[in-house]
This record gives sequence, structure tokens and C-alpha cells, in this order.
Amino acid sequence: DTAVSQTPKYLVTQMGNDKSIKCEQNLGHDTMYWYKQDSKKFLKIMFSYNNKELIINETVPNRFSPKSPDKAHLNLHINSLELGDSAVYFCASSQGRGIHIQYFGAGTRLSVL
Amino acid sequence: GENVEQHPSTLSVQEGDSAVIKCTYSDSASNYFPWYKQELGKRPQLIIDIRSNVGEKKDQRIAVTLNKTAKHFSLHITETQPEDSAVYFCAASTANAGKSTFGDGTTLTVKP
Repeated sequence: DTAVSQTPKYLVTQMGNDKSIKCEQNLGHDTMYWYKQDSKKFLKIMFSYNNKELIINETVPNRFSPKSPDKAHLNLHINSLELGDSAVYFCASSQGRGIHIQYFGAGTRLSVL
Repeated sequence: GENVEQHPSTLSVQEGDSAVIKCTYSDSASNYFPWYKQELGKRPQLIIDIRSNVGEKKDQRIAVTLNKTAKHFSLHITETQPEDSAVYFCAASTANAGKSTFGDGTTLTVKP
């Protein structure tokens, strides 16, 4: 069983469209994250949720809206997609905040044309 | 906030040689330092971590050292193998931070 699963794996879309990425973890973890990995491989945190509550928002444009319906799920909705949004988006989870191992999903490769 | 610097950005070694990757952090309150390995096209995965009450930790061919006074920590890989080729990320975090701050990554290439 996959511990952290995200869908879709690939997403190709036109500029201006709206898209969503879904993430689910079956580890019983309290904390979930969204990361963006650009073409230079930098891994930058976007959001962090703890027990469904937003605790970190790293100055991400408000076109990006995360939503956590329960602590096992964290979805990411992106409005009005731009070329610069093209990247790999990783979901991750950890047992708690800060000092715990993070388990990553397989990533969603988003290409905006 | 925390800032983590990682060096070098790329590292190429011959199979069997050792590789060392170094990171420095800025927040003296940081007390957890994980290292993640990301193979090409794959997800980052933890390979080793160290907490601030420990100076060194080993797991077979990999080891991590921590110098809290100087605020730096290092990853050491001995007897490198081609399958060690990957991007390695260091990170630093505190108990209430809600996140780990990642370094920019080191691309390690092990040449057979």
C-alpha cells in the first residue's frame, strides 16, 4: 500500500486553466505539506497543515488554494495557471510538526503550455 | 526564519571514493537535521537523520556529523557506488516550526 499517494501523476494544461491535485496519506500522520520543485531541483515548501489547520503559507500567490477536508487528505487547487507554475509538486506527510521524518508522494508533474 | 546553505551544488567522484556534502544553518533553535536522497524521477526519501543531542550517527556506508557550535552538519558517504548517484538534500527544523527548511540540493554523480 502506498503511504502517500497523489493524483494525477502528470498534468498538461493550457495557460489560464484551473486544475487540482489530490493527496492522501494512510500513515495516520497529523501534518501534511505541499512542495514545489522547479527545473533547478530546488525543493520549496508552499503550505503546511496540522490536523486540518493551515500553519505555514510561504508567500505563495493566492491563485494557489490548499484544502484539507480531513487530516488524511490535502488537496491543491490552482487558478489561472501561468507558465511559471510548471514544476513537479510533491505532497508529504509527517507524524507531527517540525522534527519528524517526512514521507513524500511520487509527485505531480505539471506542464503549463 | 531558518536559512540552510548546502555545498557543493554538484559533486562527481569515482566509484569507491568518499563523498562529503556540507550544510550550514542559521537558527540556533534548530534541533533536527534530516538528509533526503532523490533519485532521478523519484520522490525524496530519508536516508539518515540526526538530532541535536547527538554529534555523529552512522548507518553502514553513510554517516552524518553535527557541530552545533558552528551550526553545520555534513553527510559522509564511503565506498561510493553508481547507485549512490542522486540529488541529496539536507534540512533543518525545530519542534514548533511546522516545516523543515531544505538546502538547495547536491547532485552527486558516481562514475564507474
